[in-house]
Amino acid sequence: KAGVTQTPRYLIKTRGQQVTLSCSPISGHRSVSWYQQTPGQGLQFLFEYFSETQRNKGNFPGRFSGRQFSNSRSEMNVSTLELGDSALYLCASEGSGTGTNEQFFGPGTRLTVL
Amino acid sequence: AQSVTQPDIHITVSEGASLELRCNYSYGATPYLFWYVQSPGQGLQLLLKYFSGDTLVQGIKGFEAEFKRSQSSFNLRKPSVHWSDAAEYFCAVGAKGGSYIPTFGRGTSLIVHP
Repeated sequence: KAGVTQTPRYLIKTRGQQVTLSCSPISGHRSVSWYQQTPGQGLQFLFEYFSETQRNKGNFPGRFSGRQFSNSRSEMNVSTLELGDSALYLCASEGSGTGTNEQFFGPGTRLTVL
Repeated sequence: AQSVTQPDIHITVSEGASLELRCNYSYGATPYLFWYVQSPGQGLQLLLKYFSGDTLVQGIKGFEAEFKRSQSSFNLRKPSVHWSDAAEYFCAVGAKGGSYIPTFGRGTSLIVHP
């Protein structure tokens, strides 16, 4: 079974721009979560999508948004980028109905904002 | 609210020495507990998990962890560390079913001396 894939792996943007990151979960997984990881703040939960609906949301400004498609693939968008948005963005999928609540992580997208 | 504390930011051990990484959690009911490992530039990989039953859990790469309800702890151990174990280790606590948002600790960086 293929793992969680994220594209692109690396991204360089400038302040004020917007960016879209993509995540393909493990086949059959309906839950996709996004995390921001920085040295200062650690792993912070952004949001979770389940069956195309945002089910949970972390404490991030509205510049951070996401969506999920019918095939469970998910995208997150960050508008009006700030220097502080530089981070590793991790996507994780979870197999709904398994009862394990184990998340499988992708390799991440490294975003650098200049 | 659930929370996870990893009291050690960095731990340094010699190759071949034993290892114990500490994790304390706060959760109102019986938690689901996880240990993840992250190598530089990579996503998180699950080492082991505890849901119920035997409180001593075996994981991959020779790791084990023990759930101690009385101490609210879930410490990770390995009898003999290899240089390739140098990485960041994260403890996480979750809840069963429904809207699942795991809470991660800040991580412990393991440094292995030859």
